[in-house]
Amino acid sequence: GAGVSQSPRYKVAKRGQDVALRCDPISGHVSLFWYQQALGQGPEFLTYFQNEAQLDKSGLPSDRFFAERPEGSVSTLKIQRTQQEDSAVYLCASSPNRGDDGYTFGSGTRLTVV
Amino acid sequence: GDSVTQMEGPVTLSEEAFLTINCTYTATGYPSLFWYVQYPGEGLQLLLKATKADDKGSNKGFEATYRKETTSFHLEKGSVQVSDSAVYFCALSSSDKLIFGTGTRLQVFP
Repeated sequence: GAGVSQSPRYKVAKRGQDVALRCDPISGHVSLFWYQQALGQGPEFLTYFQNEAQLDKSGLPSDRFFAERPEGSVSTLKIQRTQQEDSAVYLCASSPNRGDDGYTFGSGTRLTVV
Repeated sequence: GDSVTQMEGPVTLSEEAFLTINCTYTATGYPSLFWYVQYPGEGLQLLLKATKADDKGSNKGFEATYRKETTSFHLEKGSVQVSDSAVYFCALSSSDKLIFGTGTRLQVFP
């Protein structure tokens, strides 16, 4: 597609519920990144894929967070047993190769845990 | 670890005023430096970048120069417009990922 597409745009989850956030990167982009942006803050790195390989997951805040990109294209970020502190905008970005070229970001998924 | 510090906002200016948003960084090695902009309700967009010392990135009238000696990458624009109102993020690349500052909100009034 022309840009990075994320769905859903908004998600309200009850505390304890599992959620799955989808990212469709630009076709052919090798690198895919997930970031978490809390209100009034800058984005913080969660995890990074190169094709289907998850090369860095050091930013995932707990083992409740899991990301996958099984065919090297679409990626899903899953959060199990959501907590209120998980409320944030989750941003996906893709890059043609390494991230140093600058990313293209999606519009994000705003997750609100109530 | 690597980090980015940028001036707190909001920065409030009248149209056609001169803009400076300060950004300094701490990093091992020589990272690439970026400015991203986030308009209301939209995703982050790359505004400009610089990949080595003394490089100047520029786009849409905005400029920033990679200053190794002061570890800075200040964003400037000579004459802001109302349409420049947004949140601006300074960032550096570190091991293939970006590290962002906390963002500076710019509000431009007619």
